[in-house]
Amino acid sequence: QLQLQESGPGLVKPSETLSLTCTVSGGSISSSSYYWGWIRQPPGKGLEWIGSIYYSGSTYYNPSLKSRVTISVDTSKNQFSLKLSSVTAADTAVYYCARHRSVGVPHPIDYWGQGTLVTVSS
Amino acid sequence: QSVLTQPPSVSGAPGQRVTISCTGSSSNIGAGYDVHWYQQLPGTAPKLLIYGNSNRPSGVPDRFSGSKSGTSASLAISGLQAEDEADYYCQSYDSSLSGVFGGGTKLTVL
Repeated sequence: QLQLQESGPGLVKPSETLSLTCTVSGGSISSSSYYWGWIRQPPGKGLEWIGSIYYSGSTYYNPSLKSRVTISVDTSKNQFSLKLSSVTAADTAVYYCARHRSVGVPHPIDYWGQGTLVTVSS
Repeated sequence: QSVLTQPPSVSGAPGQRVTISCTGSSSNIGAGYDVHWYQQLPGTAPKLLIYGNSNRPSGVPDRFSGSKSGTSASLAISGLQAEDEADYYCQSYDSSLSGVFGGGTKLTVL
């Protein structure tokens, strides 16, 4: 059974960089059938797609966040990561890592991590 | 304000049928992009309910169905059960915004 687990600091100071890692178990991140991505959800609000990456390193970002986002992949560790720079309180959210099936547009998200709350505060 | 509009809430009694709409435009749903639906139970991660407009992943009951027409899509839930009480989100692609979600709909089972 595929599992995704987010890890990283739960508290980040304003103007600093948020960094999260997603560890994939029960399946290979190098499969050509999937993309790997990040989605966030501010407390009490809806979902926002942040971006996704293919095992080869090709990335796709939400245009509204593109200038601050970097998603990378480490196939040797079966992990992928998110960096969001210059954070503000508006970036406080539950961050989910997820697997996207590479069929259709957009790619449906068929596995989600449990999510991790990141709070931006001094 | 999402480019995909969903009603904030819907409700129904057990056994009834409810529908949740997802209204877009010519730059997203109307452009032919797929619509997916997710169910988010309280305190949990979302779960894929419908993909590619009308396809159910393995394990999703056939009480859940999806459709798409023009610039809109709909999720229908028949034989409503107490455990269906959750938030539901549609997702599509917008030519200028990339992957987008609807604002979400809270389903209350009366």
